[in-house]
Amino acid sequence: EIVMTQSPATLSVSPGERVTLSCRASHSVSSNLAWYQQKPGQAPRLLIHGASTRVTGIPARFSGSGSGTEFTLTISSLQSEDFAVYYCQQYNNWPRAFGQGTKLEIK
Amino acid sequence: QVQLVQSGAAVKKPGSSVKVSCKASGGTFSSYVLSWVRQAPGQGLEWMGGINPVSGTADYAQKFQGRVTIIADASTSTAYLDLSSLKSEDTAVYYCAREGSCRSTTCLYYGADVWGQGTTVIVSS
Repeated sequence: EIVMTQSPATLSVSPGERVTLSCRASHSVSSNLAWYQQKPGQAPRLLIHGASTRVTGIPARFSGSGSGTEFTLTISSLQSEDFAVYYCQQYNNWPRAFGQGTKLEIK
Repeated sequence: QVQLVQSGAAVKKPGSSVKVSCKASGGTFSSYVLSWVRQAPGQGLEWMGGINPVSGTADYAQKFQGRVTIIADASTSTAYLDLSSLKSEDTAVYYCAREGSCRSTTCLYYGADVWGQGTTVIVSS
């Protein structure tokens, strides 16, 4: 099974800042990597698939990059509504796997 | 607009089983790759298993092998998660999600773009 590792676990940032979240796969997943945002009490929301393709309706301040085993999610200028937990997930192989999440909190 | 509607909350005794349903509307159910994901209180997302409509077979995370069964009933557009030998650690919110679609023998995966509302399962004596 592929293991996904996200870093850091928690990030304290101020609104307006640029932030980069990391996700590493234990084996190559090509570009079959998705990023999700989850807010308390809500189901996860798909932000990016194919490592870098934004889902329709997701603001342009969200961008993804990477391939193989190293991936990043960048939020160019944090808005108040972006404070949430972010997960990566590989869908290159069965079984699928999520990272443990990165929590963005207000500094 | 595809929607996934899950069954209501359940309270179960340790050692028992739970069956959670996920009914799809607004699309072609038989083409969907559906997965089940759970989230224990205060914890992250945990992928449990998924079913491929082309092969008709399900794939499970190693952690749940032998305890979980996922089936899809095209006649009712409903997928089911059956989890047995419940323990207190199985207390969680369980989500179904669409993570791909298939046409003939070709499937396209794009992450889980549609999610059910979640079903809370509490395991307690």
